Amino acid sequence: DIQMTQSPSTLSASVGDRVTITCRASQSINSWLAWYQQKPGKAPELLIYRASSLESGVPSRFSGSGSGTEFTLTISLQPDDFATYYCQQYNSYPWTFGQGTKVEIK
Amino acid sequence: QVQLQESGPGLVKPSETLSLTCSVSGGSISSYHWNWIRQPPGEGLDWIGYIYYSGSTNYNPSLKSRVTISVDTSKNQFSLKLSSVTAADTAVYYCARRKSDSWVFDYWGQGTLVTVSS
Repeated sequence: DIQMTQSPSTLSASVGDRVTITCRASQSINSWLAWYQQKPGKAPELLIYRASSLESGVPSRFSGSGSGTEFTLTISLQPDDFATYYCQQYNSYPWTFGQGTKVEIK
Repeated sequence: QVQLQESGPGLVKPSETLSLTCSVSGGSISSYHWNWIRQPPGEGLDWIGYIYYSGSTNYNPSLKSRVTISVDTSKNQFSLKLSSVTAADTAVYYCARRKSDSWVFDYWGQGTLVTVSS
């Protein structure tokens, strides 16, 4: 299985900050990477797919980049963005997720 | 707007079979891949497997020997069975739809907590 490792595990920041979350794959996954946002007690929501394509309806303050084994999610934080973020690879079965990055209010 | 809703017992005894159903509304189950994903309490997400509306399936090898996913197109539903459960199978179980042009998940159910305990 392809292992997905996110860093940091927790991030403390303020509204208006620009934050970056990193996701590393244990082998190349080309650009087959997605990012999701999950709030407590809710299902994940798709933000970005194919590493940098913004899902319809997702604000442009979210952006993704990367290819191969290293990827980033960048957010210009608004109050609604404090949540946990997961990356997911879909280069090869089984699809696997990172362990999550919790973005907290500083 | 497509909506997914999981249903099934919230408590299952060890060694028994976990059974869940996902009801799809606001759209047809046809022409999509339908997935089950789980999340143990306080942990990350694990993809369990999918079924295509035609009935073809693909399962995570880590669970393959215990998992069966089936579809009922007449009811716009698909189901999950996980046999011989243990406490390690305690999780929130989500059903989700594959986005049409990518192997990512664009619509999710709200999730249902299944606890394995005697």
